[in-house]
This record gives sequence, C-alpha cells and structure tokens, in this order.
Amino acid sequence: KAGVTQTPRYLIKTRGQQVTLSCSPISGHRSVSWYQQTPGQGLQFLFEYFSETQRNKGNFPGRFSGRQFSNSRSEMNVSTLELGDSALYLCASSSFQTSEYGYTFGSGTRLTVV
Amino acid sequence: GQQLNQSPQSMFIQEGEDVSMNCTSSSIFNTWLWYKQDPGEGPVLLIALYKAGELTSNGRLTAQFGITRKDSFLNISASIPSDVGIYFCAGMRGANNLFFGTGTRLTVIP
Repeated sequence: KAGVTQTPRYLIKTRGQQVTLSCSPISGHRSVSWYQQTPGQGLQFLFEYFSETQRNKGNFPGRFSGRQFSNSRSEMNVSTLELGDSALYLCASSSFQTSEYGYTFGSGTRLTVV
Repeated sequence: GQQLNQSPQSMFIQEGEDVSMNCTSSSIFNTWLWYKQDPGEGPVLLIALYKAGELTSNGRLTAQFGITRKDSFLNISASIPSDVGIYFCAGMRGANNLFFGTGTRLTVIP
C-alpha cells in the first residue's frame, strides 16, 4: 500500500510569508500527527488530528496551525514565517483499528526561510 | 517539549561489530518505539515494544522495554554498512503523540 505522502518536498520562503504543507496518510489511517525536526531541538511534536478533530497539541506558538479533512488528508500552516521556522516538517499517520501500531512517517517537507 | 535522553550521541564502529544504545526518561511510558532515519527521509519504525520487560527482535535488531517503564535499549548485531543512520527512541503514553529521544548517529566503517 502507498505510504505517507508529503508535498512539497522542498520549499523556500521569505520571512513574514505564510506556508501550507500537505500530508496524505496511508489509506485507512485516521490519525495524522505533525512534527518539526531541527538540528538543535530534535523532533518536536506539533499537533495530532483524528477524524478531523485536533486531539493533542504541542508547545508551539499560534502561528502554527493545522486541519484535517474528511478523507484524513491533513494540512499544516505556518503564518508570519521566522528564520527559526526553517526545519524538516514530518507528518506521520497511524491506525488504531488494526493490529498495526506505531506511526508511519512521510519523507518530510524541508522548509527554508530566508 | 519533552525529550528522552538517548546515548551515546554518536558511534563509530567497524563493520561486523555489535552496537548498543539506550534511552532513558524521568517519566513512565506505555509504549517504546525505535526508529531509524536516513538522510533526507522520515524515520522508519524498526521495533515496537508494548509491555514492561518485553524483549523483541527484528532480524539483527533486538530491543527491550525496561522494567521500570522509564527506559529502553536497542542492540544491533553484526553491523553492516547500511546500518548507518540516526536511530531514535520514542515513548508513548497514550495514543496521541510521541516523545522522541535525541538520537544516536551511527557510522559503520567498512
């Protein structure tokens, strides 16, 4: 089956702009989580969506937001970009309705803010 | 956000050697996961552990869920060049989010 698909793979934005990243989970997976990975902070949890509802949120400012659609695809948005937002943004999907467990990650979107 | 303490930070080993890395936390977790990340890619799940004391193998990989539920280790036997990458542990309390370790960068010298 197809894995988790993230688009775009690479993105360059300037400070002050906003950006939207997309994630298509594995078919049948209803949980989608977003993580930010930077060399200094490692992998940090942003938020998690399940059936179009945000179930959990990490410790990030309100400039970071997300949503999930009825087909489980998810988007995350970062407004008023700062240089420190440069990172690899990873999306992971999970299903708790089968014996499959753990999270499957996409290849990520590398965002560079200049 | 919370991070788990993972050690060592990096390892340089000869091909064929065994590798051991561990992860500790001040908090209890119900599930421990071990991931490997190659450059430019997302982490890939290697092993999942669901019960305290559980020992699970996946080929040359063996991982254990600590009895206290605050730690876990991963062993790789007879390392090969493709084992190169960054290994992350992750703990879960509920079904909602993962807390990741700081990572162990493994280099295998042929």
